[in-house]
Amino acid sequence: DAGVIQSPRHEVTEMGQEVTLRCKPISGHNSLFWYRQTMMRGLELLIYFNNNVPIDDSGMPEDRFSAKMPNASFSTLKIQPSEPRDSAVYFCASTPSGRINQPQHFGDGTRLSIL
Amino acid sequence: AQSVTQLDSHVSVSEGTPVLLRCNYSSSYSPSLFWYVQHPNKGLQLLLKYTSAATLVKGINGFEAEFKKSETSFHLTKPSAHMSDAAEYFCVVSHNAGNNRKLIWGLGTSLAVNP
Repeated sequence: DAGVIQSPRHEVTEMGQEVTLRCKPISGHNSLFWYRQTMMRGLELLIYFNNNVPIDDSGMPEDRFSAKMPNASFSTLKIQPSEPRDSAVYFCASTPSGRINQPQHFGDGTRLSIL
Repeated sequence: AQSVTQLDSHVSVSEGTPVLLRCNYSSSYSPSLFWYVQHPNKGLQLLLKYTSAATLVKGINGFEAEFKKSETSFHLTKPSAHMSDAAEYFCVVSHNAGNNRKLIWGLGTSLAVNP
């Protein structure tokens, strides 16, 4: 079975450019999570969706970040304009439902470098 | 407020010797607790979880963890380390109070296994 699929795996771009990260959750999973991982702050939850609806976006750093889930099989995380401090590994995860004690299934991440 | 503390940022063991990765948590409610593993350049994978059933939880790859409420601990152990166990390990506590549902992630413990 296919797991959570993220693209691209690596992205290197210049400051000020728009960055779009993509995620395809596991088929049948109703909840989707976006995380950011850095050495300084560890793993941070940015936003999560339940049945395509954003439930908690309190972790989104600022207005430069936006996330959408137009359908059950696709989500994007966009940064516009990007800044060097956005450099991190971004993970997408999904679970069958919104219950918080269910295991989360992670993609392999997108390693983002903003120059 | 919920919190989780991984007491060691780095642990180094020899192959074939026991592994102990320590985790303490703080929770006002009956928590669910998890251990995840992250291999280099990969997403996170669930090792095991505790959800108020048996206090000794067995996971994948020979790992287990014991929930000790009196000590507010959930340490991860394995009797005999294998080279393939070298990875980053994360202790996680869930926060289930009312509408505020989140996972609280530890900062991780890097496990090195020496031949």
